[in-house]
Amino acid sequence: DVKVTQSSRYLVKRTGEKVFLECVQDMDHENMFWYRQDPGLGLRLIYFSYDVKMKEKGDIPEGYSVSREKKERFSLILESASTNQTSMYLCASREVGPNTEAFFGQGTRLTVV
Amino acid sequence: GIQVEQSPPDLILQEGANSTLRCNFSDSVNNLQWFHQNPWGQLINLFYIPSGTKQNGRLSATTVATERYSLLYISSSQTTDSGVYFCAVRVTGGGNKLTFGTGTQLKVEL
Repeated sequence: DVKVTQSSRYLVKRTGEKVFLECVQDMDHENMFWYRQDPGLGLRLIYFSYDVKMKEKGDIPEGYSVSREKKERFSLILESASTNQTSMYLCASREVGPNTEAFFGQGTRLTVV
Repeated sequence: GIQVEQSPPDLILQEGANSTLRCNFSDSVNNLQWFHQNPWGQLINLFYIPSGTKQNGRLSATTVATERYSLLYISSSQTTDSGVYFCAVRVTGGGNKLTFGTGTQLKVEL
């Protein structure tokens, strides 16, 4: 079974802090994703990575950056956390190709106070 | 961009009842998945079904890609089926992004 693991289930951070959300997958997938989920807005793509050190902006990249130094690990970075970044963050991975299935981690519920 | 609409938005069932959830999408897709989001927030894979019909226990799904819709059937519902059901699609030639539907919130009562 594919396993996607996010480092924290719940996280509370202060405004202005630099925050790291970590995601690790064990299936050697090339593609990894970060989404955020908000009531009324659904799931929205923040960033996507298709290989080590390669990334693409999603629909809402402002205020975020990402790092992919190793194939299995994809980090989401909030450079200076703000209260409007309070949200549920979901990481996913998928093999390359059009007909492949995405698998999600358990989610990190981040609260910025 | 593609629009993905799910219906109904909310559904309350008695345990043992059957239900059909619908996902309509506005563009050609080459990839469609159904997920169940459990109360803790995790998205559980139910089906990868860009076309055709699949069954897994009490759940089955059908996608008619040419008519741009997919259906998720839940039979003999149980309280553990409660949660939010999402469909998600990838647009043909549209890159790697999965676009999620609006979700159906299901509550199964005793």
